[in-house]
Amino acid sequence: DAGITQSPRHKVTETGTPVTLRCHQTENHRYMYWYRQDPGHGLRLIHYSYGVKDTDKGEVSDGYSVSRSKTEDFLLTLESATSSQTSVYFCAIRKTGAGEQYFGPGTRLTVT
Amino acid sequence: ELKVEQNPLFLSMQEGKNYTIYCNYSTTSDRLYWYRQDPGKSLESLFVLLSNGAVKQEGRLMASLDTKARLSTLHITAAVHDLSATYFCAVEGGGADGLTFGKGTHLIIQP
Repeated sequence: DAGITQSPRHKVTETGTPVTLRCHQTENHRYMYWYRQDPGHGLRLIHYSYGVKDTDKGEVSDGYSVSRSKTEDFLLTLESATSSQTSVYFCAIRKTGAGEQYFGPGTRLTVT
Repeated sequence: ELKVEQNPLFLSMQEGKNYTIYCNYSTTSDRLYWYRQDPGKSLESLFVLLSNGAVKQEGRLMASLDTKARLSTLHITAAVHDLSATYFCAVEGGGADGLTFGKGTHLIIQP
């Protein structure tokens, strides 16, 4: 499972509230990613990180910010949650070599 | 912009039959990945295809890559119920090698 955990695993929140999702890895991988999964869209890249304090935007970054102050933790923040951000969020790490990405268990977020 | 298209998006088939899922992508890439997802679960890596002509096999699943045609296939041989899942192909092309995914093929294998 590449030592990836996500917290919380489930969350229900109200529109307009801030939300932070955490991804934690235990294997010291440099690259980390946040994706969202929605029916009919597959997975889409939100933000990614290529090292501590090095982050960049992905395909669907509007309304999201990220931070990485330690190698092992990658945080995704919704500053003011909207109903369109109801989704399942997956964190991933990229292993060196073949470049395969391994995914965490996911966080199901519902914004009411 | 990299686009990845899978077809079919939904497939219902009987046990024992063979079928192929297709994955087309729009720009040059030498790395393609196949994942499996069971309902309510995370994604499980199936195959990593790193070069033109690459072929990988695991049990009843075989994946291939033609980079010139920008096409990968996932072939299922003598399907069994346990292979029922959603299958995604993904191509590198985003920043820091982020993946662009197809929409997934929802596969149901009936006894």
